[in-house]
Amino acid sequence: DVKVTQSSRYLVKRTGEKVFLECVQDMDHENMFWYRQDPGLGLRLIYFSYDVKMKEKGDIPEGYSVSREKKERFSLILESASTNQTSMYLCASSSGEQPQHFGDGTRLSIL
Amino acid sequence: GEDVEQSLFLSVREGDSSVINCTYTDSSSTYLYWYKQEPGAGLQLLTYIFSNMDMKQDQRLTVLLNKKDKHLSLRIADTQTGDSAIYFCAETFTGGGNKLTFGTGTQLKVEL
Repeated sequence: DVKVTQSSRYLVKRTGEKVFLECVQDMDHENMFWYRQDPGLGLRLIYFSYDVKMKEKGDIPEGYSVSREKKERFSLILESASTNQTSMYLCASSSGEQPQHFGDGTRLSIL
Repeated sequence: GEDVEQSLFLSVREGDSSVINCTYTDSSSTYLYWYKQEPGAGLQLLTYIFSNMDMKQDQRLTVLLNKKDKHLSLRIADTQTGDSAIYFCAETFTGGGNKLTFGTGTQLKVEL
């Protein structure tokens, strides 16, 4: 089974902090994705990566950056956290055109 | 751009069939997916269908695709309380790589 692991289930940070959300997958997938989920809005794509050191902006990249130094790990970075970034963050991975597999999510609160 | 729409809520009685509907606008869809999200959890892939198929059945789940009307549905037979969750439809599209466009999700509540 594919395993996508997000480092924290719950996280509380303060406005202005730099926040790192980590995601690791164990299936040698080349594709990795970061989404945020908000009630009534579904999932929206923040950033994605199709290869090591490669990144592409999704639909809502503002206020975020990413890092992919190793194939199995994809990090989402909030450069200066703001209250409107309080949300559920979901990481996913896939290979080729195969379905994406998701982690359990990180519920992030910015105070 | 791509747009995927779902109704927000559905309530059914245990043992009845549930039908969750989804409409999409992109005519270049390649695959269409149904994911399930239980409270506090990530998304679990339920099933998916290639865009040139009309129907796919997998145990209690039946997916119907009407490509002309750009309408996708998920039927759950003999709905159980454990089926209570949020159900998301999603699509990939030609030229989009493996990117998914999600609907808003339908909250299914199963009552005794």
